[in-house]
Amino acid sequence: GAGVSQSPSNKVTEKGKDVELRCDPISGHTALYWYRQSLGQGLEFLIYFQGNSAPDKSGLPSDRFSAERTGGSVSTLTIQRTQQEDSAVYLCASRESSYNSPLHFGNGTRLTVT
Amino acid sequence: DQQVKQNSPSLSVQEGRISILNCDYTNSMFDYFLWYKKYPAEGPTFLISISSIKDKNEDGRFTVFLNKSAKHLSLHIVPSQPGDSAVYFCAASATDSWGKLQFGAGTQVVVTP
Repeated sequence: GAGVSQSPSNKVTEKGKDVELRCDPISGHTALYWYRQSLGQGLEFLIYFQGNSAPDKSGLPSDRFSAERTGGSVSTLTIQRTQQEDSAVYLCASRESSYNSPLHFGNGTRLTVT
Repeated sequence: DQQVKQNSPSLSVQEGRISILNCDYTNSMFDYFLWYKKYPAEGPTFLISISSIKDKNEDGRFTVFLNKSAKHLSLHIVPSQPGDSAVYFCAASATDSWGKLQFGAGTQVVVTP
């Protein structure tokens, strides 16, 4: 079946502009996660959704970052007033609700802030 | 605060030989560990996992070993194949925050003919 889909695959934006990143999880997966990977770094947790609610937003780096999920499916990650340090690959993942089911990642959105 | 560490940024191994990737963690609450494999321009793909109640899990050419007292795990790939060339990430989670995986920085594996 279809995997996790993210769009756009690449985004170049000017410093100070807002961007929206989209994630379409695997159908039926109730949990959805956003991670980011900066150059040469491991994956950094940003936020987790169970259904439409976000029990854990602890990884969002600042109040410029927000995310929502609607209909228990598609999620958007919004970065306002982008800064150069926001440049990274933003990865979305989803998983089944069963205990210890692994995360399935999309191919990510590469964000470059100039 | 890096709770999961992969101290070898790269590993080169000959085709057919064993690849051993190492991972250390600091949080004693971690009870589930995973390895992911990542090719360029793709998302990480799940490879193998192990629960803290086990010390070994095997799946084909891939075996993960867990040493809880040392807070250390390793991934063995036998035999290594050219298609195994990728970045391998170690990840860990605690039961009360499943899915909030802590990742290591990754190890780039290159399998040479």
